[in-house]
Amino acid sequence: EDQVTQSPEALRLQEGESSSLNCSYTVSGLRGLFWYRQDPGKGPEFLFTLYSAGEEKEKERLKATLTKKESFLHITAPKPEDSATYLCAVSPRDSNYQLIWGAGTKLIIKP
Amino acid sequence: KAGVTQTPRYLIKTRGQQVTLSCSPISGHRSVSWYQQTPGQGLQFLFEYFSETQRNKGNFPGRFSGRQFSNSRSEMNVSTLELGDSALYLCASSLDRGYNEQFFGPGTRLTVL
Repeated sequence: EDQVTQSPEALRLQEGESSSLNCSYTVSGLRGLFWYRQDPGKGPEFLFTLYSAGEEKEKERLKATLTKKESFLHITAPKPEDSATYLCAVSPRDSNYQLIWGAGTKLIIKP
Repeated sequence: KAGVTQTPRYLIKTRGQQVTLSCSPISGHRSVSWYQQTPGQGLQFLFEYFSETQRNKGNFPGRFSGRQFSNSRSEMNVSTLELGDSALYLCASSLDRGYNEQFFGPGTRLTVL
């Protein structure tokens, strides 16, 4: 069964304290993996798409990486405005384009 | 370029009523997906529409239905509302079925009393 698991469920960091969020997946074949950011009461905001193992994408303090089993979202020197829930989704190759979503990691950055 | 818009933003209904939510995708986007989001269940896929046809359906009862118009705008309907239908309903659009990057609207917050 195709599955996406995100860890940890919640992460509290001090401003400037770098860390990583994990998204592990089990699918028959990967078409793509997606990272989103969601602020409370709002729709998810698209961040990155990764297609193959070894691929990396960067945006400001965020860097996403992909292996054959998992993806990491690295946050470097985070600021309070980076506080949000980060969602991971995968598109399995045989899924008729339907995405499978993780439960998310709630990130809190304290000033 | 305007983003995905959803109306209304907030709704309060009572049990047994029905509700219709509307979604206008990003201009040029032809695929529209709907999701239900609750604190306990996360993002749950409802259905996807492309070229006015439902292409995928999640595991929801028949009380949940939708449609897409020729201009790609979409509506979803929930009949005979239950307390458990209280949630944030999100619409997402993508350029085409082969492009999985989905762009979300702000959502409709539905409260069922």
